[in-house]
Amino acid sequence: AQKVTQAQTEISVVEKEDVTLDCVYETRDTTYYLFWYKQPPSGELVFLIRRNSFDEQNEISGRYSWNFQKSTSSFNFTITASQVVDSAVYFCALLNRDDKIIFGKGTRLHILP
Amino acid sequence: GAVVSQHPSRVICKSGTSVKIECRSLDFQATTMFWYRQFPKQSLMLMATSNEGSKATYEQGVEKDKFLINHASLTLSTLTVTSAHPEDSSFYICSASSGVSTLAFFGQGTRLTVV
Repeated sequence: AQKVTQAQTEISVVEKEDVTLDCVYETRDTTYYLFWYKQPPSGELVFLIRRNSFDEQNEISGRYSWNFQKSTSSFNFTITASQVVDSAVYFCALLNRDDKIIFGKGTRLHILP
Repeated sequence: GAVVSQHPSRVICKSGTSVKIECRSLDFQATTMFWYRQFPKQSLMLMATSNEGSKATYEQGVEKDKFLINHASLTLSTLTVTSAHPEDSSFYICSASSGVSTLAFFGQGTRLTVV
């Protein structure tokens, strides 16, 4: 079965705090891709990162970082020194062999000033 | 990155009428386009996959006669919600893939309200 689980439905943190969004996936494929998308209140999906299954290196992009661990089937996303503009819904997603993107239920992140 | 344009961004229609939503890939040829539906505070659910020049493949539970998908060219796919009802009110979003890259680019979405 192909599945993406984001156990945190909603998180609130105070500005400047660090926050980690969890993502656990299930797939039988040996080759797959994982994504994170941001959906601000306006609705559009903003691409943040893509990671293929053979690349377990962690990645850092500014205040964003991602921790991919195949051993635990997790692809967690951390925002460092959070800002109010980071408030949005964040989706973790899995691309399967059929080229279909399967989304998790999303985590609604509130950054409080 | 590649640009996918979706139009209209918002539409309000009367119950019983049909609404057409367009999804265009502006700077690449989209061999495959996907249509998703998102209810308020819910995740995106894949409705159908369309390949240029062939019939769309619908996910289980999606009525193909109600949600007509046409992918007539490599840059345009349309979703027509026929005989719309209030329960069809939702956020519809398309994505396009060139088939070369695993990246799928998303349109801005269409918020449909049926009154």
